[in-house]
Amino acid sequence: EPEVTQTPSHQVTQMGQEVILRCVPISNHLYFYWYRQILGQKVEFLVSFYNNEISEKSEIFDDQFSVERPDGSNFTLKIRSTKLEDSAMYFCASSGWPDSSGYTFGSGTRLTVV
Amino acid sequence: AQSVTQLDSQVPVFEEAPVELRCNYSSSVSVYLFWYVQYPNQGLQLLLKYLSGSTLVKSINGFEAEFNKSQTSFHLRKPSVHISDTAEYFCAVCRGTSYGKLTFGQGTILTVHP
Repeated sequence: EPEVTQTPSHQVTQMGQEVILRCVPISNHLYFYWYRQILGQKVEFLVSFYNNEISEKSEIFDDQFSVERPDGSNFTLKIRSTKLEDSAMYFCASSGWPDSSGYTFGSGTRLTVV
Repeated sequence: AQSVTQLDSQVPVFEEAPVELRCNYSSSVSVYLFWYVQYPNQGLQLLLKYLSGSTLVKSINGFEAEFNKSQTSFHLRKPSVHISDTAEYFCAVCRGTSYGKLTFGQGTILTVHP
């Protein structure tokens, strides 16, 4: 069964450093998403991406965040200057449809900012 | 905007007992409804979904959920749980026209005791 692959599984970074979280969506999917889950809290939508541009973003997704699909296969989330409160599990997802009916989530990257 | 409330943060049950995990949502438009399961240190896996049609939907491992529009609920049930069902369960909704943005509930930790 096709999978969404996220790397690394765990990343530790110092406050103020830039991090890039990587995702390889399912190959024929067209819609891509990032979510995050702070420990003990609910899963929160960050951003959706379609046709090489952001479709929708949440208020969490401020100027410190950016997404990119640099080469037609990878989908990345960049945090320019990490803060302690960015520590969370970040999930990538992809879908062949815009309505969540065909969502597949990756297994997540646990980001720890120290 | 949509919101999801999972009424129980933790549900302990004994093996082979029935269980119900409650989910209520609010939305001014029609939504799709989902249950996701997260096993320890793993990603989000789709358990079942309601898009349209029959209001009772079932998963391959014995869970079922019923969409009740009048009560705006989508409770998850299983008549007899196993130890392996121990996990966190998330209810989520999606508005069909919002490029697949999922809004999650707070999650319910189901712990099955022998």
